[in-house]
Amino acid sequence: DGGITQSPKYLFRKEGQNVTLSCEQNLNHDAMYWYRQDPGQGLRLIYYSQIVNDFQKGDIAEGYSVSREKKESFPLTVTSAQKNPTAFYLCASSIGDRDVDTQYFGPGTRLTVL
Amino acid sequence: QKEVEQDPGPLSVPEGAIVSLNCTYSNSAFQYFMWYRQYSRKGPELLMYTYSSGNKEDGRFTAQVDKSSKYISLFIRDSQPSDSATYLCAMSELNTGANNLFFGTGTRLTVIP
Repeated sequence: DGGITQSPKYLFRKEGQNVTLSCEQNLNHDAMYWYRQDPGQGLRLIYYSQIVNDFQKGDIAEGYSVSREKKESFPLTVTSAQKNPTAFYLCASSIGDRDVDTQYFGPGTRLTVL
Repeated sequence: QKEVEQDPGPLSVPEGAIVSLNCTYSNSAFQYFMWYRQYSRKGPELLMYTYSSGNKEDGRFTAQVDKSSKYISLFIRDSQPSDSATYLCAMSELNTGANNLFFGTGTRLTVIP
């Protein structure tokens, strides 16, 4: 089956710890994205990558880091510098070079800081 | 002013009702309009998309775009409890490649049996 997978589904972090969220896609999409979703605030873009070994900051990149070593993988690290990391994290991908670039989403990871 | 405005609701309707969900936007260059459906604790799934103005129908769902008013709508006919979800609108200009989507905040819909 083609699609986007995220793991884990639920993640608990102690304050001061870094954690890494996994995102994998087998859609052969060039572009990948990380969003954060909080109640009443919609989707906020953290980072995006249009091609392997390149990525750009989104609107709320502080306290997060990413890598794009492979086309199919775009892991997100939530660092201890992120002051309020408890949220629902969504990964998405798109073809990346079309006139209209529809994004497809993974199932999400819910991160809770204890 | 946000690029895309969407009433967060919540919206509760009885089963069988016609539901109207709406977004307004400020960028007249937006040409491509999408609706995503997001069930609780799940990722958004693409429901419908339309290009430029006009209507598009898919089963019980109709997407409508009024570019002159910068207003888009999603209508759900004969609403079902399984339609209970958050609906997000998204839109973009053309020819801008990746990272060109602007999302509304979502409207939470509950269909009561």
